[in-house]
Amino acid sequence: GENVEQHPSTLSVQEGDSAVIKCTYSDSASNYFPWYKQELGKGPQLIIDIRSNVGEKKDQRIAVTLNKTAKHFSLHITETQPEDSAVYFCAPGGGSQGNLIFGKGTKLSVKP
Amino acid sequence: DTEVTQTPKHLVMGMTNKKSLKCEQHMGHRAMYWYKQKAKKPPELMFVYSYEKLSINESVPSRFSPECPNSSLLNLHLHALQPEDSALYLCASSQVTGKSSNQPQHFGDGTRLSIL
Repeated sequence: GENVEQHPSTLSVQEGDSAVIKCTYSDSASNYFPWYKQELGKGPQLIIDIRSNVGEKKDQRIAVTLNKTAKHFSLHITETQPEDSAVYFCAPGGGSQGNLIFGKGTKLSVKP
Repeated sequence: DTEVTQTPKHLVMGMTNKKSLKCEQHMGHRAMYWYKQKAKKPPELMFVYSYEKLSINESVPSRFSPECPNSSLLNLHLHALQPEDSALYLCASSQVTGKSSNQPQHFGDGTRLSIL
């Protein structure tokens, strides 16, 4: 089955700095690569996703890059703000398993 | 505000009680999901419904019984739960185009369940 690893597990940055979270997967059939943000007391919210025919996608301060050969994709947040503090999950999908496979999460703390 | 609505937000029940969790979406999605999430862990898939039919059951104990009465509603019936079943229960929905596993899933804010 799919093996998903997410690093780092915790990340602390100063406001205004950039943050990068990496997700590695094992199923070469995976073709959908989303990132979810979960704030305290809330459900996960999709913040950006990419499909396997695209290498990079940006949405304002957030970007996702995909390296299908190496089987990893990364979340990039620039100019971090305190409201970016949350747990972020990668969840590759479209592979041999019937659903998204969630990574273990990264707790991002942005210090003012 | 999320487009997937879950009720109740909190539920405390004894091990002999019967209760139900409810989920509703009006985005026209034909796939709906139940997840269980323990503290500091990722969501774990429990059930998937596609076109109101159960398509995935991740070997969930029979004390959890899902139901999809129509394309907008998803229920999770609970009976004789154990203390280890205390968790956040999340509902999600997505389109079904080809594989549902490569479609964006929209989550509700969950029901926080505590078993006494």
